[in-house]
Amino acid sequence: DIVMTQSPESLAVSLGERATIKCKSSQSVLYRSNNKNYLGWYQQKPGQPPKLLIYWASTRESGVPDRFSGSGSGTDFTLTISSLQAEDVAVYYCQQYFSMYTFGQGTKLEIK
Amino acid sequence: EVQLVESGGGFVQPGGSLRLSCAASGFTVSRYYMIWVRQAPGKGLEWVSVLYGGGSTNYADSVKGRFTISRDKSKNTLYLQMNSLRAEDTAVYYCARVQQDLGADYWGQGTLVTVSS
Repeated sequence: DIVMTQSPESLAVSLGERATIKCKSSQSVLYRSNNKNYLGWYQQKPGQPPKLLIYWASTRESGVPDRFSGSGSGTDFTLTISSLQAEDVAVYYCQQYFSMYTFGQGTKLEIK
Repeated sequence: EVQLVESGGGFVQPGGSLRLSCAASGFTVSRYYMIWVRQAPGKGLEWVSVLYGGGSTNYADSVKGRFTISRDKSKNTLYLQMNSLRAEDTAVYYCARVQQDLGADYWGQGTLVTVSS
């Protein structure tokens, strides 16, 4: 099974500043036939289901603000929020869908 | 408009059974991968099961042999039959549509399952 490890577990960032969350998979999630990383990022606010932000490690889902960006390949990935807004307070999860659908343990993002 | 609505959660004693339903609208369940994901109180997301468009299935080790995922094409509904329930199965259960290769793009609001004596 592919294990996903996120860091940090929690993060406090000032409004307008950059937030960076890391995700590492125990094996590569790069599908060589199409050169796509089968890695997604989700945002979950209290009392709500998760929302898909990014797929293929770096492609924003329709309607997601461009302050959210994803990068990385193989086993190491990053979610960056370029200028934190109050509405971005949430828990963020990475998920691999290369082999089944395992999630990272989540990163709680708060305002400093 | 795509919608997923879960139902069937509730309170059950250890060893008991429940069947969760996920009614879909705005798309055809059998044309997509569908997954169940759960979230224990105050905890993170845990993938539970997948039903592929062709009908094959897969399960997390924690539920294998106890849970069964299925669908009813005539009702456009996804199910999760949960048997031999344990306290550690207590969670909000979400169903989600998976766009093949893209991740889970639509989620239901979840249904709470509580396993306790």
